[in-house]
Order: sequence, then C-alpha cells, then structure tokens
Amino acid sequence: DVKVTQSSRYLVKRTGEKVFLECVQDMDHENMFWYRQDPGLGLRLIYFSYDVKMKEKGDIPEGYSVSREKKERFSLILESASTNQTSMYLCASSPVGGAAYEQYFGPGTRLTVT
Amino acid sequence: AQSVTQLDSQVPVFEEAPVELRCNYSSSVSVYLFWYVQYPNQGLQLLLKYLSGSTLVKGINGFEAEFNKSQTSFHLRKPSVHISDTAEYFCAVRNDYNTDKLIFGTGTRLQVFP
Repeated sequence: DVKVTQSSRYLVKRTGEKVFLECVQDMDHENMFWYRQDPGLGLRLIYFSYDVKMKEKGDIPEGYSVSREKKERFSLILESASTNQTSMYLCASSPVGGAAYEQYFGPGTRLTVT
Repeated sequence: AQSVTQLDSQVPVFEEAPVELRCNYSSSVSVYLFWYVQYPNQGLQLLLKYLSGSTLVKGINGFEAEFNKSQTSFHLRKPSVHISDTAEYFCAVRNDYNTDKLIFGTGTRLQVFP
C-alpha cells in the first residue's frame, strides 16, 4: 500500500522559531510537493521537487525553504515562523509524468504559530 | 497558466438525494482534470481523473464526472449520496503543458444530512 507520512499531525510553535516539517514517501516517486491549505483558498503550492537536490518555487514560496537530500524525504523549513504561517500543510508525491498520474497525499500537519 | 473555479463553497444535501459539484477550468490545448476528496482530518485521495477518451469518467464510491470541452467544465455527480460522503471535494487541473504540477480549486464542502 502506497504511503506518504508526515512527521507530526499537530504542531505548536512560537513566533520566530525555526520549524521543520518532514515528509517521507515509500513509492520511489521522483516528484514531491508541499502545499498549504487554508479555508476558502484551497491548496496552494509552496515548493516542488522533481529530483534529489532539485527544487522549484511554487505559488507562495515566501517565508519557506525546502530540502531534498534523499529521494524519499522532502523537508519544508520555516526559517522564522510567523503567525500568518498558521495553516494546514500537506505533502504529496507522484511519479514523473505525474500529471497523468495521481498525487499521493500525506495526512497533513496542522501548524499553529503563537 | 491554467485556473480552476469551483462555484460552490458549500453544498448541503439530504441523504439519498443526487448531488452535483461544479468545476470550471480555463481553456487549454491539452487538459488533464482531477477530482480529489478530503475526509475530515485526512489528506486528499483521488476520486477520478480525465486524461483523454470518453468524456464520462467513473470513479470510486459511485462518483462520476463529465468532461465538457465546449463549456470548459468537469462537474462531479453522484445519483444518491450517503452520510459518509460528507467531505471536502477539490477539482484540479494540470498547471500547464509538460508539467507535473496541478492547480487546485478552492474546494466544495459537501454536507450530507440524515
């Protein structure tokens, strides 16, 4: 059974903290994605990685960075968390040619920044 | 780049009634279209997708969608809903030609009442 796991379901951090959100997939997929989900705004792409050490900015990359040192792991980093980054974060993966295939999603991490 | 519009943010319906969730996309030469479902406190999972061929696409859990090129629509339908269909539904389209990225709509919350 295919699986995308995220390190935490719920996370509470303070303003200014450095935050790491981890995502691991066991499907040997080349593509990995980080989305942010907010009510009324749907899913917005933060960053996309199509291979190890390769990344591409999405629609809302400001305030975020990513790291992909191994094929199965894709990390989202909030260098200095702010309250407007309180949100649900979803990780997904897909094979290359993934537009013709589904993206597989993790369960999400609900991050609260106080 | 593509865009996706989900016209209804919420759709309330009684159990065993039919339902239609509407999705329109901006026109493009080549279109891949998807419907995803998100149950409470879970990630997204694929309901169905249109890549080419028959314009009527059948998915899981009794859902189906019809691709209408002239109206640039991809509406999701189910003839008889169950309480367990209560969830958020997202329409998505391939972002641009020759890319693995998707653009998601803002979501429609389907609430099924007994």
